Amino acid sequence: DVKVTQSSRYLVKRTGEKVFLECVQDMDHENMFWYRQDPGLGLRLIYFSYDVKMKEKGDIPEGYSVSREKKERFSLILESASTNQTSMYLCASSLYPGTGNDEQYFGPGTRLTVT
Amino acid sequence: GNSVTQMEGPVTLSEEAFLTINCTYTATGYPSLFWYVQYPGEGLQLLLKATKADDKGSNKGFEATYRKETTSFHLEKGSVQVSDSAVYFCALTLNTNAGKSTFGDGTTLTVKP
Repeated sequence: DVKVTQSSRYLVKRTGEKVFLECVQDMDHENMFWYRQDPGLGLRLIYFSYDVKMKEKGDIPEGYSVSREKKERFSLILESASTNQTSMYLCASSLYPGTGNDEQYFGPGTRLTVT
Repeated sequence: GNSVTQMEGPVTLSEEAFLTINCTYTATGYPSLFWYVQYPGEGLQLLLKATKADDKGSNKGFEATYRKETTSFHLEKGSVQVSDSAVYFCALTLNTNAGKSTFGDGTTLTVKP
């Protein structure tokens, strides 16, 4: 079974703090994704990585950065947390497209509260 | 651009009722289509998928058929259970889009005993 793990299920941080959310997958997937999920707004893509050290902005990258130094690990960084970044953060991974098996595998999510 | 439109929720059904959640899509090319389910407090998990026209995906009593002519991928189940209460997301992926998916907004299903 593919497993995607996220470092924390719940996190509370203060405004202005630098926040690191870690995601690890164990299936050698090329693609990794960070989403945020908010009521009424569905899933929104923050950043996407298709290979080690490669990244691409998603729909809402402002206020976030990412790091992918190893294939299995994809980190989301909030440079200076703000209250409007309070949300559920979901990490996912997938094989590269064209394999016929490019569904995404999601972690359990990190519920981040910024006070 | 690509888009996925899902039937608005929330949907409330009695146990053993028939379920349909509509999903239509717009895509430049030939997408793979997916239904994901999210149970309370968890991440999304794949429910079923179809990779080409007329394919039927099925899992746990749920089914959806890839209809290219109507650009649809409606989710159905003949008899829902309380344990099916969750949020359901329709999604598409295109090979030309590097594996990024476009998701619908999600439909919340509540099944009452």
